[in-house]
Amino acid sequence: GAVVSQHPSWVICKSGTSVKIECRSLDFQATTMFWYRQFPKQSLMLMATSNEGSKATYEQGVEKDKFLINHASLTLSTLTVTSAHPEDSSFYICSASQDRQNTEAFFGQGTRLTVV
Amino acid sequence: AQSVTQLDSHVSVSEGTPVLLRCNYSSSYSPSLFWYVQHPNKGLQLLLKYTSAATLVKGINGFEAEFKKSETSFHLTKPSAHMSDAAEYFCVVSDGTLVRALTFGSGTRLQVQP
Repeated sequence: GAVVSQHPSWVICKSGTSVKIECRSLDFQATTMFWYRQFPKQSLMLMATSNEGSKATYEQGVEKDKFLINHASLTLSTLTVTSAHPEDSSFYICSASQDRQNTEAFFGQGTRLTVV
Repeated sequence: AQSVTQLDSHVSVSEGTPVLLRCNYSSSYSPSLFWYVQHPNKGLQLLLKYTSAATLVKGINGFEAEFKKSETSFHLTKPSAHMSDAAEYFCVVSDGTLVRALTFGSGTRLQVQP
């Protein structure tokens, strides 16, 4: 089956620094990738949708300058949390779809970000 | 517009008894529906999906779900719970637009008692 790898699985960073999270589709080309955020004991909230070679589409309320998304190739998307603060601590999950209709998305294992 | 309502935030069953996790949806288009499972600090694993084929969908680990358009429901069931089924379950809907994003329900935590 299709595999999506997310790295790192967990990261601790100091307040004010930036953190980059990678999402890779290992055995398929992902036309679209999605980034989600999950607060403790809550559901996943879509942050942004990215298509290869174009700018990401952010959901309402998500700061574009804080959460930089790059989808430079069909197998890699990155999320950079800039100038991280403790309130950015969360579980971030990416998913990737290999068809334009997005009939199925494959999820990475998630990244636990803790900002101290 | 689409939305998903998971009717129970928490379900507790005894091992060996049936499991029922309820999900209702709304969608402007013919939806695709999914159930995902998430174990603590892990990513999401697809249990099963409905994409306008058979209304009774069988998934992994003995789970199945039935799409009922008249009731706008997609409840997840399993005849006999196992301890390893304890996890968070998400019902997810995807609409018929060209480029889709998934809308997640709020999740149901399944607890399995020995």
